[in-house]
Amino acid sequence: QVQLVQSGGEVKKPGASVKVSCKASGYTFSSFAISWVRQAPGQGLEWMGWISTDNGDTNFAQSLQGRVTMTTDTSTRTAYMELRSLRSDDTAVYYCARNSPRLWGSFDVWGQGTMVTVSS
Amino acid sequence: DIQLTQSPSFLSASVGDRVTITCRASQGISRYLAWYQQKPGKAPKLLIYAASTLQSGVPSRFSGSGSGTEFTLTISGLQPEDFATYYCQQLNTYPVLAFGGGTKVEI
Repeated sequence: QVQLVQSGGEVKKPGASVKVSCKASGYTFSSFAISWVRQAPGQGLEWMGWISTDNGDTNFAQSLQGRVTMTTDTSTRTAYMELRSLRSDDTAVYYCARNSPRLWGSFDVWGQGTMVTVSS
Repeated sequence: DIQLTQSPSFLSASVGDRVTITCRASQGISRYLAWYQQKPGKAPKLLIYAASTLQSGVPSRFSGSGSGTEFTLTISGLQPEDFATYYCQQLNTYPVLAFGGGTKVEI
């Protein structure tokens, strides 16, 4: 079935980096872009950015510009999100989601989420 | 940037009630709006896209309407499993797709 499976939770110290993976299965990987969304504890959803799985184009939220990188590996059907210079307010659940062109770009498939905790 | 404002932020209702959540955009977005449901500890689930089109498998008690700057999500006949937080998302400035602040529905 169509699914996105993310890597496991991480605990990082302030100033470190984290890289979260999102492995796709059950569909043609290059036909659907991937977006990343995060959710701090008790807070709402924050769109982080987008990567085209076709040509690698990216677009990031202004608040994260310069600290976030998104990449894909088409051979393994995996998308990656790396966040650098971590701060305590980066503590959140990080989700990857599939953008569906047929559904006007909305997110029809989501990963299970990856908890990233930033603490000294 | 387009801002989305949801109201109310919190809503208390009973089983069987008709519930309406509003999402207002800071500028016109035609019908480029989606609604999601999120239950505690789970990833969000797509309910509606294109303002009023029900995603496959979503119960018909959910409906969406609106265009331009004002949109509504209506749940007709609230069920216990509808306890969740609901988010709107604008699709007009793809791929930059911001969310509203959310509405928590408590049964």
